[in-house]
Amino acid sequence: GAVVSQHPSRVICKSGTSVKIECRSLDFQATTMFWYRQFPKQSLMLMATSNEGSKATYEQGVEKDKFLINHASLTLSTLTVTSAHPEDSSFYICSVVRGGNTIYFGEGSWLTVV
Amino acid sequence: LAKTTQPISMDSYEGQEVNITCSHNNIATNDYITWYQQFPSQGPRFIIQGYKTKVTNEVASLFIPADRKSSTLSLPRVSLSDTAVYYCLVGEGNDMRFGAGTRLTVKP
Repeated sequence: GAVVSQHPSRVICKSGTSVKIECRSLDFQATTMFWYRQFPKQSLMLMATSNEGSKATYEQGVEKDKFLINHASLTLSTLTVTSAHPEDSSFYICSVVRGGNTIYFGEGSWLTVV
Repeated sequence: LAKTTQPISMDSYEGQEVNITCSHNNIATNDYITWYQQFPSQGPRFIIQGYKTKVTNEVASLFIPADRKSSTLSLPRVSLSDTAVYYCLVGEGNDMRFGAGTRLTVKP
């Protein structure tokens, strides 16, 4: 069964507004979750590492004030795209590491900014 | 951080065996090799993982030579539904980055 769940699977928002994407670890506690971004026909790009109870660690070039990450519990991390613009339209995917070396991914969330 | 190199794309026909090789020359001692499959608009799905020699599960086999500088994912008797992008990841749990992947197209 699924290990990670994301919501919503698709969202459309107006330019300038903010949108939140949730990532849930379904059957175990995840102190760390990861957020990726994927443009069409490209590979996944790691955006940030979400740490439960502390600040997220962002990859170089990713604006932390634009992509707000909150990991308030051991089963939930949220990514909020603030003041969204059309260029933020992308496929966002979260993941968790289980068993030490295996990554499990959520279903992904398509964001379209109009 | 072990960098991986895979062929950009491969074509095959239904019923054939497909082998996708990944090069990872600077693999570290503690690194595992993991392969994922991704369909359009879906998150990647775990296929198989190994550390050395050969690993087999119900969907694939993974061959890793003694020097571990490469690995080969083997998909037996592919079907149209195996058309996807396949990623080879090398590293330890919290430190895995995606390469470009291999786009496999299975033709009838």
